[in-house]
Amino acid sequence: KNEVEQSPQNLTAQEGEFITINCSYSVGISALHWLQQHPGGGIVSLFMLSSGKKKHGRLIATINIQEKHSSLHITASHPRDSAVYICAVRNTDKLIFGTGTRLQVFP
Amino acid sequence: GAVVSQHPSWVICKSGTSVKIECRSLDFQATTMFWYRQFPKQSLMLMATSNEGSKATYEQGVEKDKFLINHASLTLSTLTVTSAHPEDSSFYICSAQKTGFLSNQPQHFGDGTRLSIL
Repeated sequence: KNEVEQSPQNLTAQEGEFITINCSYSVGISALHWLQQHPGGGIVSLFMLSSGKKKHGRLIATINIQEKHSSLHITASHPRDSAVYICAVRNTDKLIFGTGTRLQVFP
Repeated sequence: GAVVSQHPSWVICKSGTSVKIECRSLDFQATTMFWYRQFPKQSLMLMATSNEGSKATYEQGVEKDKFLINHASLTLSTLTVTSAHPEDSSFYICSAQKTGFLSNQPQHFGDGTRLSIL
């Protein structure tokens, strides 16, 4: 079993839909990252959080430390949100990555 | 702020060639840089952690003589794939962090280098 599990692996949505991507982890962490990887490969850091909730534009990230679970929400999804979303947790001296969720938003 | 530039973005070369990939932090000093490898539709795998002015720490299974890492300044780390073979073909991506890892600073990623060995 992977130390960081994401669900779903693949997700398709219609433009405007509300999207949720989940991340569960089994190790102790000091922080959790949500990353966005576009088809060209470049990675953008969306959030780093260790408790509670953060919001940036249409993106919201939450984390429940007791349940070892985080969610990434996208409101009013748009085709430009199509990408792979990766959850990564910081454990001691390294990041442990989930396998990613491939999101496609259709017009 | 916090821009990381990786160069080249794409390399095709013959088997046996050595390839150098650069990772630069453009607007901040990076004490620590990380090198990752990613196979198609798989997650990132950490290859090594480099700290400015000291030897890199390699992950288990990564050949240090094959993947040479140099972090000679606070803004530049290089990864050299020596005597590259087709099985080294992959997507390599670096990240940089402003201070020591345990200070909980975020990592800032480069755009990656797609390496194809013929």
